[in-house]
Amino acid sequence: DTGVSQDPRHKITKRGQNVTFRCDPISEHNRLYWYRQTLGQGPEFLTYFQNEAQLEKSRLLSDRFSAERPKGSFSTLEIQRTEQGDSAMYLCASSLESQGTYGYTFGSGTRLTVV
Amino acid sequence: SQQGEEDPQALSIQEGENATMNCSYKTSINNLQWYRQNSGRGLVHLILIRSNEREKHSGRLRVTLDTSKKSSSLLITASRAADTASYFCATVPYNNNDMRFGAGTRLTVKP
Repeated sequence: DTGVSQDPRHKITKRGQNVTFRCDPISEHNRLYWYRQTLGQGPEFLTYFQNEAQLEKSRLLSDRFSAERPKGSFSTLEIQRTEQGDSAMYLCASSLESQGTYGYTFGSGTRLTVV
Repeated sequence: SQQGEEDPQALSIQEGENATMNCSYKTSINNLQWYRQNSGRGLVHLILIRSNEREKHSGRLRVTLDTSKKSSSLLITASRAADTASYFCATVPYNNNDMRFGAGTRLTVKP
């Protein structure tokens, strides 16, 4: 297992277009998290899954955002009708244990630029 | 919303010196974790300290936790140029299962 993989690494899109990002977690990890990070800031929590169930969503996750983890393995994060304010690094992480007893393993992120 | 706040926001030291970063948080926690992030990359987990622990060591890292003051510190001893990165504290609250990050400390170690 090579860790958490995110695809693509970079995405440039025009305002108003839809984009989808993919995250492949560590295979035995049952929890998967999405964070958003803007320049000079810490990661902001968006949502997390335990297996295929989406257990919590941040208020940052507007109606234009949707995340899925259909079989409890990989996850997708879709942004519809992108806005310039959506430009950020989108980070995915996975963990084995609830309550964060063990550290999260992060992917390298997908950098989104909306022009 | 972000939970922790790191202090200082930026720190510049010479190689071989020690670096100390502080983190304050607001709510009761299950544990507190420190992560490192090199520019434009993902975060790397450094160390986790549980709410019933007061100090923890890992190599050149020493973390303390004071739950009465809702604060933690990360000490990097004998710093190296390769330690140059942003360092974030993150907390896992008792009532939630997700982790919240602070804004980070940007550490520069000059060779």
